[in-house]
Amino acid sequence: TQLLEQSPQFLSIQEGENLTVYCNSSSVFSSLQWYRQEPGEGPVLLVTVVTGGEVKKLKRLTFQFGDARKDSSLHITAAQPGDTGLYLCAGVWGGSNYKLTFGKGTLLTVNP
Amino acid sequence: NAGVTQTPKFQVLKTGQSMTLQCAQDMNHEYMSWYRQDPGMGLRLIHYSVGAGITDQGEVPNGYNVSRSTTEDFPLRLLSAAPSQTSVYFCASSYSAGFEKLFFGSGTQLSVL
Repeated sequence: TQLLEQSPQFLSIQEGENLTVYCNSSSVFSSLQWYRQEPGEGPVLLVTVVTGGEVKKLKRLTFQFGDARKDSSLHITAAQPGDTGLYLCAGVWGGSNYKLTFGKGTLLTVNP
Repeated sequence: NAGVTQTPKFQVLKTGQSMTLQCAQDMNHEYMSWYRQDPGMGLRLIHYSVGAGITDQGEVPNGYNVSRSTTEDFPLRLLSAAPSQTSVYFCASSYSAGFEKLFFGSGTQLSVL
């Protein structure tokens, strides 16, 4: 079973602060996705990264895929209370065929 | 646009009882899957299907059965519920197994006493 390590597990910050969460594996990803999950709901896809070194921006969120395709990060600028949620990364490895594996997530709380 | 619909939202079972969690999608997606989410464990894949009549096991398949008779429906069956199956269950679908966007249902919270 491939493992995805996410850090930190919990993060509580004040509105306006910046933050970065990480997703790491010892294996090379074919592709990696980031999801956000709010209480009582299913995860919602934020972004998919495929190419090593790729950077994608979604408003105040910046996603980076490591050059070696073993790690990824999510940076949020000027966090807002609406960013509160569980952030999950999910990866596909070559040969895993149809199995998307999730990390345990980072629970972010942004206080007003 | 209903998307992925899961029923029921909540369920309480006694040990040994059986039940079926329903999942339906109206997006004509070929790929459907079931995950369970437990505190500290993240989302773990139970079973998945790449099309009608085709299913396969995920990471934690024991105690669960699935079938896929239509493109739209992918029910998850618990044959003899155990307390270890207390969890939140999510059904998800995507256009193909190439891992384009996964659409999730809103989950079923199951407690087995």
